[in-house]
Amino acid sequence: GQNIDQPTEMTATEGAIVQINCTYQTSGFNGLFWYQQHAGEAPTFLSYNVLDGLEEKGRFSSFLSRSKGYSYLLLKELQMKDSASYLCAVLGNAGNMLTFGGGTRLMVKP
Amino acid sequence: DVKVTQSSRYLVKRTGEKVFLECVQDMDHENMFWYRQDPGLGLRLIYFSYDVKMKEKGDIPEGYSVSREKKERFSLILESASTNQTSMYLCASTRGLSYSNQPQHFGDGTRLSIL
Repeated sequence: GQNIDQPTEMTATEGAIVQINCTYQTSGFNGLFWYQQHAGEAPTFLSYNVLDGLEEKGRFSSFLSRSKGYSYLLLKELQMKDSASYLCAVLGNAGNMLTFGGGTRLMVKP
Repeated sequence: DVKVTQSSRYLVKRTGEKVFLECVQDMDHENMFWYRQDPGLGLRLIYFSYDVKMKEKGDIPEGYSVSREKKERFSLILESASTNQTSMYLCASTRGLSYSNQPQHFGDGTRLSIL
């Protein structure tokens, strides 16, 4: 079976750093994606990890540990526009099918 | 930029109606997907297609069917709409082979209400 867990909601302050965790138990693993989704809009791609370690892309970084079934998305220098839902998704053993977690709604406060 | 276009942003239908949701992508992608998104449940895959006239069931195919007659177009059909199919429906597409690191590109979604 497939199981992907993320916190439902998080709150952080503008200018701060926030870490959004994702744990997974899936049948097979061929990579993990993070997407950002603003309310009422389409999810947009943020990052992809398939090897252990940290991938940095500007203010956003994503980490993966395959042995622990664990990933996190790190957002630095938070801005109000970062208020959105963040979706963790795993590419398993079934071709191009992604399994998504429930998403983490991040609220950035002034 | 990849463009995935869904035919309607909002749709209201009645129980028992046959409902068609259309999705078109303009980047010649091989793979197309239909998801529904519900609060607390995230995105759940209904059906996907990796080529014209090919389809595969996702996690929740019951009550739905799909059609892919042309590469750029993927249609989701609710054979006999029910109130538990009220949801946000998202279409996505991606290029290439299985287990690809190519990200899925999503449409803006159709918020469907079944009365």
